Amino acid sequence: SQQGEEDPQALSIQEGENATMNCSYKTSINNLQWYRQNSGRGLVHLILIRSNEREKHSGRLRVTLDTSKKSSSLLITASRAADTASYFCATDASPASKLTFGTGTRLQVTL
Amino acid sequence: DAGVIQSPRHEVTEMGQEVTLRCKPISGHDYLFWYRQTMMRGLELLIYFNNNVPIDDSGMPEDRFSAKMPNASFSTLKIQPSEPRDSAVYFCASRGTSGYNEQFFGPGTRLTVL
Repeated sequence: SQQGEEDPQALSIQEGENATMNCSYKTSINNLQWYRQNSGRGLVHLILIRSNEREKHSGRLRVTLDTSKKSSSLLITASRAADTASYFCATDASPASKLTFGTGTRLQVTL
Repeated sequence: DAGVIQSPRHEVTEMGQEVTLRCKPISGHDYLFWYRQTMMRGLELLIYFNNNVPIDDSGMPEDRFSAKMPNASFSTLKIQPSEPRDSAVYFCASRGTSGYNEQFFGPGTRLTVL
């Protein structure tokens, strides 16, 4: 399986702090995506980074990708209580059109 | 757009009963995916369709599971007979052909088999 591994499994921070989550994967990819899942809800796409990109920003999100190490990180800056959720990385590897999801990081942001 | 619609949202059944989960993808999307999420195994892809045709069902756990997509706007996942170990949250997701394989998830069906 090329399922990604994420660390940490759980992260607890205070509002205003930055949160960093890491994802490692096993095979070559076309792109890597990050999703958020609020408790009891479906996954929501956050950001995508292509294999030829090294860094991407979207609002308070910053994603990096190191294809030589087969790893990615997601940084959430100035976290808010509403950021409390599980975060998953997902890899898109050709030729299949499917995504392979990581194990997820549970983020708790406290006031 | 209403997004991906799944029904029912919750299902409680007894072991041995047939369970049918339903999904309506986003209009215009030609890929549909069925996932299962449990604490132990995380998010697993069960099967996916392209233009209503099953492409990869290697994730379907056993013959008790079957999925169909009779048209572009409807898909079912059936478990017959159900077992307690099938208890999980089942998600349907869809995507279009353009773009970079971003998937849109439904709210999920929480299945409990007693």
